[in-house]
Amino acid sequence: DTEVTQTPKHLVMGMTNKKSLKCEQHMGHRAMYWYKQKAKKPPELMFVYSYEKLSINESVPSRFSPECPNSSLLNLHLHALQPEDSALYLCASSQSQGGDTQYFGPGTRLTVL
Amino acid sequence: EDQVTQSPEALRLQEGESSSLNCSYTVSGLRGLFWYRQDPGKGPEFLFTLYSAGEEKEKERLKATLTKKESFLHITAPKPEDSATYLCAVQATQTSGSRLTFGEGTQLTVNP
Repeated sequence: DTEVTQTPKHLVMGMTNKKSLKCEQHMGHRAMYWYKQKAKKPPELMFVYSYEKLSINESVPSRFSPECPNSSLLNLHLHALQPEDSALYLCASSQSQGGDTQYFGPGTRLTVL
Repeated sequence: EDQVTQSPEALRLQEGESSSLNCSYTVSGLRGLFWYRQDPGKGPEFLFTLYSAGEEKEKERLKATLTKKESFLHITAPKPEDSATYLCAVQATQTSGSRLTFGEGTQLTVNP
């Protein structure tokens, strides 16, 4: 089984709201990722967690705050977002951080009003 | 700097009309090349991982090949359900962590 799940599927929020995106995998993978994807563009890496520790932050604005409560769960906390942050947010996981296939979840479609 | 170029940007085929998608890459050293399929509004679905030149992998109507400069995704007798965007990505040996460099994708449409 190579399933990564994400909730919610869709999210609409105002610029003053606080919301969270959730990601879960039960494949025993030790690396988890957040990507952002705009329409007709490839995914852009935001954060990488390896063994529950943040290993890569691609200079993402602080209004995005990642969290890895345990090896199976990954959250992305959102606060004071801008309309240009509207996108498909993808979670992925891999066995480890180097050279392993990344498996993506179905994504959360985020709209910021 | 690692670079991935996919061609064509868009491809229209008739059902049963075989063709190939190209992924040209420039990396300091290749750790892995990955093919994904993505349907509109959904996450990329993993297809293949290739690690060294000469390697080939097959799955149903798809076959991926790898040389030192490019990869091809061959589609044999495609069906309308093969319509999707196909993404190619590379991971370089000198890349810190697990960064993937993606191409812009090829949007494939298969008409019945």
